[in-house]
Amino acid sequence: DIQMTQYPSTLSASVGDTVTITCRASQAIATSLAWYQQKPGKAPKLLIYKASTLENGVPSRFSGSGSGTEFTLTISSLQPDDFATYSCQQHHILWTFGQGTKVEIK
Amino acid sequence: EVQLVESGGGLVQPGRSLRLSCTASGFTFDTYAMSWVRQAPGKGLEWISSIRSRAYSGATDYAASVRGRFTISRDDSKRMAYLQMNSLRTEDTAVYFCTRSRSNWPPTGEPFAPWGQGTLVTVSS
Repeated sequence: DIQMTQYPSTLSASVGDTVTITCRASQAIATSLAWYQQKPGKAPKLLIYKASTLENGVPSRFSGSGSGTEFTLTISSLQPDDFATYSCQQHHILWTFGQGTKVEIK
Repeated sequence: EVQLVESGGGLVQPGRSLRLSCTASGFTFDTYAMSWVRQAPGKGLEWISSIRSRAYSGATDYAASVRGRFTISRDDSKRMAYLQMNSLRTEDTAVYFCTRSRSNWPPTGEPFAPWGQGTLVTVSS
């Protein structure tokens, strides 16, 4: 099974900051990596797939990069609506999620 | 608008069974793979099962944590997906989300979008 390690688990930031979340796969997954945003009591929302492709309607301040085993999600100029939990997911062999990163207000 | 609505959650005793349903609308249901993902209270997301479209034999996959106890199925005529959960354990307590492959091609290996709102399953005596 492919394991996904995501860090940090919590990130404190202010509106306007640029934040980066990292996800590491236990084996190479090419670019089969997705990022989701989830708010309390809500369903996850797909932000990015294939490591760097922005889902329709997702603001361009979200970006993803990486390949193989190391991936990053960057949120530029953090907005109030961006405070949420972000999870990575490999979709290379079946599916596995990272543990999640909570982006909270500093 | 694509919509997924789960139902069937509730309180159940350990060892008992429960069947979750997912009603789909707004897309050609029979061409998409469907999946179930759960989230235990305060925990991360866990993929548990997927079923391909009939064009790909309706092949199923399961996470090790539920294999042999849970069964995923679909009824394309009703635009519904199901998750039959047997021999439930306290650690199966979670919100269960129904979700769809983002694209109907390739038949597997796609991320998930959109998602239903989830249904809570509580396993407790």
